[in-house]
Amino acid sequence: GAVVSQHPSWVICKSGTSVKIECRSLDFQATTMFWYRQFPKQSLMLMATSNEGSKATYEQGVEKDKFLINHASLTLSTLTVTSAHPEDSSFYICSARGRRETQYFGPGTRLLVL
Amino acid sequence: GQNIDQPTEMTATEGAIVQINCTYQTSGFNGLFWYQQHAGEAPTFLSYNVLDGLEEKGRFSSFLSRSKGYSYLLLKELQMKDSASYLCAVRDLNDYKLSFGAGTTVTVRA
Repeated sequence: GAVVSQHPSWVICKSGTSVKIECRSLDFQATTMFWYRQFPKQSLMLMATSNEGSKATYEQGVEKDKFLINHASLTLSTLTVTSAHPEDSSFYICSARGRRETQYFGPGTRLLVL
Repeated sequence: GQNIDQPTEMTATEGAIVQINCTYQTSGFNGLFWYQQHAGEAPTFLSYNVLDGLEEKGRFSSFLSRSKGYSYLLLKELQMKDSASYLCAVRDLNDYKLSFGAGTTVTVRA
C-alpha cells in the first residue's frame, strides 16, 4: 500500500520555540495532504488541507499564523508550529490523498512543549 | 457538516465476532472509511464503502446502507492484536475531507 512518512516522530521543545514537521508521500504523488491533531482519548480533528502550489485551507478555529503549512512539491508538505506553548502539545498526523481518493496516514509526530 | 456516532467501547473474547456500528448524518456523502488505530500510532486504512452492500476483506468486512446513514465493521475470528480503536470516517462530497467519529475501543480478552 501507499506509504507516508513523517519526521520527526517526536519532539520536546521549550515554550516559545517553533517546530517544523515534515510529511512525505514516498511512493506516490499527492496533490492534497491533510493535517490532523489528536488529543489523548479523542478522535482526529482536521486542522487544514494542504494543496500543492497553493495556500492551505484551514478549519474553523485553527490559527493560520500559528500553524504554517507549506506544500512545495507533490511529495512534501510541512507544518510549522510557531511559538509553541504547552497547550499545543498533541499528536500531529498528516495524511496524503492517494488512489481511489483514500487517505493514507503518516506515523504521526508527538509534540511536547515544556 | 457531518455528525458521526459510534459506540465508545466494546469487549469480546478471542476467536469471537464483534460488530461495530456507525451512524452518520451528512450534508453530502462521498464514501465511508474504517480505520484501525493502535494506541500511540497513526490510523491504518481498513475499508472503504461508497455503494450499498458488504465489502469483505479477510477477517474484516464493512457494510453500508446510504438510505439509513448506517455502516458497520465486522471483525471475525478475533485475535489479541485486534485490540485497538476503530474509527469510522465519512468523506464530504464537495471537498473530499474526512470527518471522524470518536472511535470505538475494542478490547479482546483471552
